[in-house]
Amino acid sequence: GQQVMQIPQYQHVQEGEDFTTYCNSSTTLSNIQWYKQRPGGHPVFLIQLVKSGEVKKQKRLTFQFGEAKKNSSLHITATQTTDVGTYFCAGLHRNDYKLSFGAGTTVTVRA
Amino acid sequence: NAGVTQTPKFRILKIGQSMTLQCTQDMNHNYMYWYRQDPGMGLKLIYYSVGAGITDKGEVPNGYNVSRSTTEDFPLRLELAAPSQTSVYFCASSYVTEALNTEAFFGQGTRLTVV
Repeated sequence: GQQVMQIPQYQHVQEGEDFTTYCNSSTTLSNIQWYKQRPGGHPVFLIQLVKSGEVKKQKRLTFQFGEAKKNSSLHITATQTTDVGTYFCAGLHRNDYKLSFGAGTTVTVRA
Repeated sequence: NAGVTQTPKFRILKIGQSMTLQCTQDMNHNYMYWYRQDPGMGLKLIYYSVGAGITDKGEVPNGYNVSRSTTEDFPLRLELAAPSQTSVYFCASSYVTEALNTEAFFGQGTRLTVV
């Protein structure tokens, strides 16, 4: 079946450091979305990437969509305590537009 | 702006009982989804619907049923609850066409415990 894989599952980061989380799909995606879930909360939309090779930035967050539209990454620079939470990628598949989530990367920050 | 509303927020069920998780959205979205999230895990798709009268299975549909009689409502039914169904359940909705799709809006979640 269609799967979206995400690594790493956990990321422990020193405040001020950078990190990247990666997302891979077994099939070509129509687009990819990224969400953030704070502890005890619900997923909240961050961004959507649609075009092959697309790069978008939101302050310290940089999102990329691969040329083949099968992979994506989220890079956070100068991590802050407000970045704590779980980051999910979610792929929209071309054939049925079903939104499939990766397992998420849970980020903790050491002050 | 209500968005996606789920009820109840918390529920404890005994093994073998049944219940319906309610979900309603007021954004006129065509797509609606039910996900479950086990502790420390990602979101697994249970069922989804592309419009009123149409539903389809996701990754983990066993033990659940859904219906979509209106655009707004997408209830999830648990029959014969089992401990393995202890989880947090999220309903979500989005607007999807071939040319456009919006972000998914999530409800606040229902924390279900089966004992």
